[in-house]
Amino acid sequence: AQRVTQPEKLLSVFKGAPVELKCNYSYSGSPELFWYVQYSRQRLQLLLRHISRESIKGFTADLNKGETSFHLKKPFAQEEDSAMYYCALSPRGNNRLAFGKGNQVVVIP
Amino acid sequence: SAVISQKPSRDICQRGTSLTIQCQVDSQVTMMFWYRQQPGQSLTLIATANQGSEATYESGFVIDKFPISRPNLTFSTLTVSNMSPEDSSIYLCSVEVGQGNSDTQYFGPGTRLTVL
Repeated sequence: AQRVTQPEKLLSVFKGAPVELKCNYSYSGSPELFWYVQYSRQRLQLLLRHISRESIKGFTADLNKGETSFHLKKPFAQEEDSAMYYCALSPRGNNRLAFGKGNQVVVIP
Repeated sequence: SAVISQKPSRDICQRGTSLTIQCQVDSQVTMMFWYRQQPGQSLTLIATANQGSEATYESGFVIDKFPISRPNLTFSTLTVSNMSPEDSSIYLCSVEVGQGNSDTQYFGPGTRLTVL
């Protein structure tokens, strides 16, 4: 069974400061990893996926298979980054997503 | 992309009753998913609903409690049967759009259910 762990529930950072959201996973097979974001009063949406290896809204995430991690990073937080962030995993080729509990990010002006 | 709507957006129900949640998508999709998010918890997959076949349920979820219909490629319903306060959750549907490495799940706005 797959499991996703996001250890910090709430993260407060000042505008312009770096932000890092930790995500660790356990899965015996080959996983696909995702970060989803939910802004206030909006629906859940995909932020980025490890396969794409791209930066979205300044965020990046690197899959580290040795540490079974997929931490989300952004060097300079902006106020519009305040949101709920969920790390998710699916078995490769199978889109049944397992989500972590989420991180509430608050960017302080 | 896909635009998904859910009805109702919220409801308050009495213990022992049932509620059917509708999910409508603006394009034809093969795979639809139903998730539950209990208070303070993460999203948990209930089942995968493919048109023309029985829904596939995840461990801990059964058809008698959460019957699902998928009559066509743009619509699905989830029924929460014989409700108890523990069923108070946000229920979300999602659809998968795209192919291969570019496929993406799009989520509906959710249905907030409170069971008294």
